[in-house]
Amino acid sequence: DVQMTQSPSNLAASPGESVSINCKASKSISKYLAWYQQKPGKANKLLIYSGSTLQSGTPSRFSGSGSGTDFTLTIRNLEPEDFGLYYCQQHNEYPFTFGSGTKLEIK
Amino acid sequence: EVQLVESGGGLVQPGRSLKLSCAASGFTFSSFPMAWVRQAPKKGLEWVASISSGGGGTYYPDSVKGRFTISRDNAKSTLYLQMDSLRSEDTASYYCARHDGIIAAITPFDYWGQGVMVTVSS
Repeated sequence: DVQMTQSPSNLAASPGESVSINCKASKSISKYLAWYQQKPGKANKLLIYSGSTLQSGTPSRFSGSGSGTDFTLTIRNLEPEDFGLYYCQQHNEYPFTFGSGTKLEIK
Repeated sequence: EVQLVESGGGLVQPGRSLKLSCAASGFTFSSFPMAWVRQAPKKGLEWVASISSGGGGTYYPDSVKGRFTISRDNAKSTLYLQMDSLRSEDTASYYCARHDGIIAAITPFDYWGQGVMVTVSS
């Protein structure tokens, strides 16, 4: 199984700042990495897939980069609604596996 | 608007069975592979099962293979998860999710339900 190592586990930032979340796969997953946002009381939201493709409706302040084993989610100019939990997931092969999550909090 | 609404959760004793349902609307259900993903309390996400659009292909991680069965009724736009021989470690919120594309194997989950809680305890 492909192990996904996500870092950091927690992140604190202020509105207007930029942050990056990293995800490392235990073996190459080509470009097939997705990022999700999870917030209480809301359905999980797909933000980015195939490493860098923005899902329809994802604001342009979100960007994804990387291929192979190393990937990064960057959020520029943080908005209040961006705070929550973020997960990466490899969608290259079965079994699909997720990172352990990053909690993005307001500083 | 795409909607996925799970039902069937609850408290069940270890070793017993439970069947979850997911009612889909707002899209052509029969055209999309579907999946179940779970999240134990205070833990991360774990993929549980996927099924092809026609139902002929099903996929599971080793943690549930042989105990869980995913199925679908395209006429009713409903996805199911039959869970047998339940264990305490199966306690989690179970989410229904749609694969974003024709091929489940390389597509992420573009829509999710709100989830249903399953508690396995004596």
